[in-house]
Amino acid sequence: NAGVTQTPKFRVLKTGQSMTLLCAQDMNHEYMYWYRQDPGMGLRLIHYSVGEGTTAKGEVPDGYNVSRLKKQNFLLGLESAAPSQTSVYFCASTLQGYNSPLHFGNGTRLTVT
Amino acid sequence: RKEVEQDPGPFNVPEGATVAFNCTYSNSASQSFFWYRQDCRKEPKLLMSVYSSGNEDGRFTAQLNRASQYISLLIRDSKLSDSATYLCVVNSYGGATNKLIFGTGTLLAVQP
Repeated sequence: NAGVTQTPKFRVLKTGQSMTLLCAQDMNHEYMYWYRQDPGMGLRLIHYSVGEGTTAKGEVPDGYNVSRLKKQNFLLGLESAAPSQTSVYFCASTLQGYNSPLHFGNGTRLTVT
Repeated sequence: RKEVEQDPGPFNVPEGATVAFNCTYSNSASQSFFWYRQDCRKEPKLLMSVYSSGNEDGRFTAQLNRASQYISLLIRDSKLSDSATYLCVVNSYGGATNKLIFGTGTLLAVQP
């Protein structure tokens, strides 16, 4: 039972390049989330999904897009990367929304130069 | 004022010590509360939920004070392996939707 798996673990992009971060969970969770973590700040929600085929904006959605075509996968896309998107990205899932514990992936360290 | 505030530390304590962290939250309508642990360069992991009556899990005790709007985490008999950042997380009711607010974390360093 892998839990939540994120790929890639590390990536360096140049300004203007695009990439997709993949998150996969095998716990049959309905809810999935993308967070970013920056020094001196708490984790901030980028986008989330309450079920297959649904997505919604979080606290800091600008510059990102997401898709949830299959229940187990939640993709985060950066269409035109900017240095301000240098961060550690965490995917998470829960069974019943915010009243149940978050299960996090092991993170993606992204640097945009 | 931040919605969730924690003392960033670091808290440097010797092995065997008792240490306590507090976390304050601003939204009185907050519904549920959690402590997560995050090791250096790793993902956060749930340490424990915080219940209204207080709860204990081994050496860890969590308490909620709704009147003063804070939660606390007490660690007894600290171990070297307790060294980590402890994140306070609050499920805050924001009107139409709930949102999960993360504190910036308190760094604990247990010294031999």
